[in-house]
Amino acid sequence: QSALTQPASVSGSPGQSITISCTGTSSDVDDYNYVSWYQQHPGKAPKLMIYEVSNRPSGVSNRFSGSKSGNTASLTISGLQAEDEADYYCSSYTSSSTLFGTGTKVTVL
Amino acid sequence: QVQLQESGPGLVKPSQTLSLTCTVSSGSISSGGYYWSWIRQHPGEGLEWIGYIYYSGITYYNPSLKSRATISVDTSKNQFSLKVSSVTAADTAVYYCARVPARGTRFDYWGQGTLVTVSS
Repeated sequence: QSALTQPASVSGSPGQSITISCTGTSSDVDDYNYVSWYQQHPGKAPKLMIYEVSNRPSGVSNRFSGSKSGNTASLTISGLQAEDEADYYCSSYTSSSTLFGTGTKVTVL
Repeated sequence: QVQLQESGPGLVKPSQTLSLTCTVSSGSISSGGYYWSWIRQHPGEGLEWIGYIYYSGITYYNPSLKSRATISVDTSKNQFSLKVSSVTAADTAVYYCARVPARGTRFDYWGQGTLVTVSS
């Protein structure tokens, strides 16, 4: 099974909104509502930001939101802040595995 | 809150077996309700799921590792472990352990990660 496809990079100015896509197949993203998103700053462990497509763990800013349409999931960051500059990974459950996305570097201009 | 800490050798020779342990604090593995997982990240690359274990010993693995990975649990020590056999330079990575509330759904707590280098 291949990794989920994400854009290599996305950028935005402070205060703007950006959206990161995560494209899978009918066997993963499209088939299950178990898509999660992780933020990773350099040299740090990933941090869970969104789970089950659109749920935010306690303590995660409501500027982060998730959605899904067919085989593509999306993470939107509203009111972009300097601290949001990081790598972001999506993940999806499948019947035989757990897949991660290729990763997206978010740059705050 | 739950804390996870990886430990093990940072350098492994090619063809040998990589062995890591994850110690769980502020939460009992044997209480059930969670899976425990290993994930790795090659230098400068993305995340790769290795496998999960439940406290009962049930395991699930990434098929891409071709049966080289083995995950085990020691509930008496509140630890779970990873072994990867016949390592090559391609197994050089940061290895993370993580907690999974329900199989495959999400990784909600992570260890800080440990770098393992495969080199002679």
